[in-house]
Amino acid sequence: DGGITQSPKYLFRKEGQNVTLSCEQNLNHDAMYWYRQDPGQGLRLIYYSQIVNDFQKGDIAEGYSVSREKKESFPLTVTSAQKNPTAFYLCASSLGSSGANVLTFGAGSRLTVL
Amino acid sequence: GQQLNQSPQSMFIQEGEDVSMNCTSSSIFNTWLWYKQDPGEGPVLLIALYKAGELTSNGRLTAQFGITRKDSFLNISASIPSDVGIYFCAGQPSYNTDKLIFGTGTRLQVFP
Repeated sequence: DGGITQSPKYLFRKEGQNVTLSCEQNLNHDAMYWYRQDPGQGLRLIYYSQIVNDFQKGDIAEGYSVSREKKESFPLTVTSAQKNPTAFYLCASSLGSSGANVLTFGAGSRLTVL
Repeated sequence: GQQLNQSPQSMFIQEGEDVSMNCTSSSIFNTWLWYKQDPGEGPVLLIALYKAGELTSNGRLTAQFGITRKDSFLNISASIPSDVGIYFCAGQPSYNTDKLIFGTGTRLQVFP
């Protein structure tokens, strides 16, 4: 079945450490996105990529970095510069400019900073 | 970044009741989407709307694309316990087709 796989589901990190969250899709979608969700909050866009080897900052990109070396993969690194990284992170994909901008989401990764 | 104004913020209802929620924007949107999120999971698409005035159903769910293109409504009829979750609206604004704008969510609790 086609879908989006995020890993790990749960991650614990010490302050000052970088961590990388994985996102893989087999939907043949061009566009991929990373969102952050805090308790009781909506979704805030961190980074997005419309095509391989290209990505744009979203609304809250500071302290995060991404890469898009393959169409299927869009990993997110939460760096030590992110002041409040504890949150639920959601990866999504869509057809992008080749179709309607309807997002399909992964199951999410919960990051906790100790 | 812009977020849509979604209301109500939360709802506590009895099983069997109908539910209504809505989203409004100051900008014109080309697409309206409604998602449901279960605790600890990613949002799942419920209904997609593409034309002003469009009314679309998915089982007990009905959503409408407002005629002004600045709002959308979601109705759930005869609620059941598994309707519990957070419902998000999302829209694609006409001024930026690269990304969606999300509402702040409506948290629904259904009591038996």
